[in-house]
Amino acid sequence: DTGVSQDPRHKITKRGQNVTFRCDPISEHNRLYWYRQTLGQGPEFLTYFQNEAQLEKSRLLSDRFSAERPKGSFSTLEIQRTEQGDSAMYLCASSLGTGHEQYFGPGTRLTVT
Amino acid sequence: GESVGLHLPTLSVQEGDNSIINCAYSNSASDYFIWYKQESGKGPQFIIDIRSNMDKRQGQRVTVLLNKTVKHLSLQIAATQPGDSAVYFCAENNLGSGGSNYKLTFGKGTLLTVNP
Repeated sequence: DTGVSQDPRHKITKRGQNVTFRCDPISEHNRLYWYRQTLGQGPEFLTYFQNEAQLEKSRLLSDRFSAERPKGSFSTLEIQRTEQGDSAMYLCASSLGTGHEQYFGPGTRLTVT
Repeated sequence: GESVGLHLPTLSVQEGDNSIINCAYSNSASDYFIWYKQESGKGPQFIIDIRSNMDKRQGQRVTVLLNKTVKHLSLQIAATQPGDSAVYFCAENNLGSGGSNYKLTFGKGTLLTVNP
């Protein structure tokens, strides 16, 4: 499979716990994005990497959220001290060159109890 | 502020009919408008895009129309099939210098149901 992959697909955690999600982009894509999607809404932009550099972070990305892309390949998104409001689908996308043609992974659905 | 919205939250069509999904946008500076299809439990799937200097673009069974005068975008699906049933999102992307060059701003989505 040469598409974007995400792991895990589902995560249930208790409030206050830390969680980490992984995204593997399409191999030749130099740009990687994280979005959050809640039920019935469109995805909302969280952050963007060009190679290993994190170039933009949304105001939605509070101090409890951190994302990395250490070698310009896979990326991780960590949420510390999870809250119930963090429950959502976390989507990763990648692109080559221009940013308008982004290819999304299947997402990680987070449920905070 | 910037927003991308949809006129209708749901659309139900018969198999074989043509479908038209509409979207209104407010950011005149957007350079690209994109349509995504999202099936249940899956991530959004790129369908087609159109650059802001174009009025129409055709793909396989899909056509996107852009009316900049009224800031309106539409996706036409010809001969709609049951496999087309999904939520369709329009999104905009601004490739201007600095700031949010590569962020996609999505609308809320339209649920398309194709009846056999």
